[in-house]
Amino acid sequence: ETGVTQSPTHLIKTRGQQVTLRCSSQSGHNTVSWYQQALGQGPQFIFQYYREEENGRGNFPPRFSGLQFPNYSSELNVNALELDDSALYLCASSVGGQGKGEQFFGPGTRLTVL
Amino acid sequence: GESVGLHLPTLSVQEGDNSIINCAYSNSASDYFIWYKQESGKGPQFIIDIRSNMDKRQGQRVTVLLNKTVKHLSLQIAATQPGDSAVYFCAENLLTGGGNKLTFGTGTQLKVEL
Repeated sequence: ETGVTQSPTHLIKTRGQQVTLRCSSQSGHNTVSWYQQALGQGPQFIFQYYREEENGRGNFPPRFSGLQFPNYSSELNVNALELDDSALYLCASSVGGQGKGEQFFGPGTRLTVL
Repeated sequence: GESVGLHLPTLSVQEGDNSIINCAYSNSASDYFIWYKQESGKGPQFIIDIRSNMDKRQGQRVTVLLNKTVKHLSLQIAATQPGDSAVYFCAENLLTGGGNKLTFGTGTQLKVEL
């Protein structure tokens, strides 16, 4: 167990809807990264939050947005859901500002878009 | 449970044999490389990492080799056990002003036969 928790575990939405996924980071970690993992593929970097600010973004459209709160927990919001958004969404927490920044992953939220 | 290995390369080994999982990476500027293990329904779990200025690193039953000339990474698992069955991903980490970004490979499904 990494100490990183995510909610909900599973979610079913329809096209065009909006979804919010949540992540609680490991104690002492101030950085949260979000990844999308499609079936049969490796995780793809969405963005990273460090001390409540976006600190790097992957190749995802603006309808993917996020927040980080003062307690370093984080939300991933996806608007106007598309079928291709169906995936496992992973968050990973780490200690920012250090050279290595080893990332610890949560169990993920499985999103299905119908 | 979730299966992330439906379209992944598969390596089948007998219990007790050694396993070698290979990975090609793309960014010669990556600072370090990590191997993750992902079991069905779970997030990636850190196995071992290696800095870009090293060629080899050993852990408990695992060894990672890095060949920067051909941008190749391998994970060797000694005396493979049934509990080693999972999908294995290599990931490159690039430390930038935008934080730590992990770029994952496609993954390899390891199946341990009794």
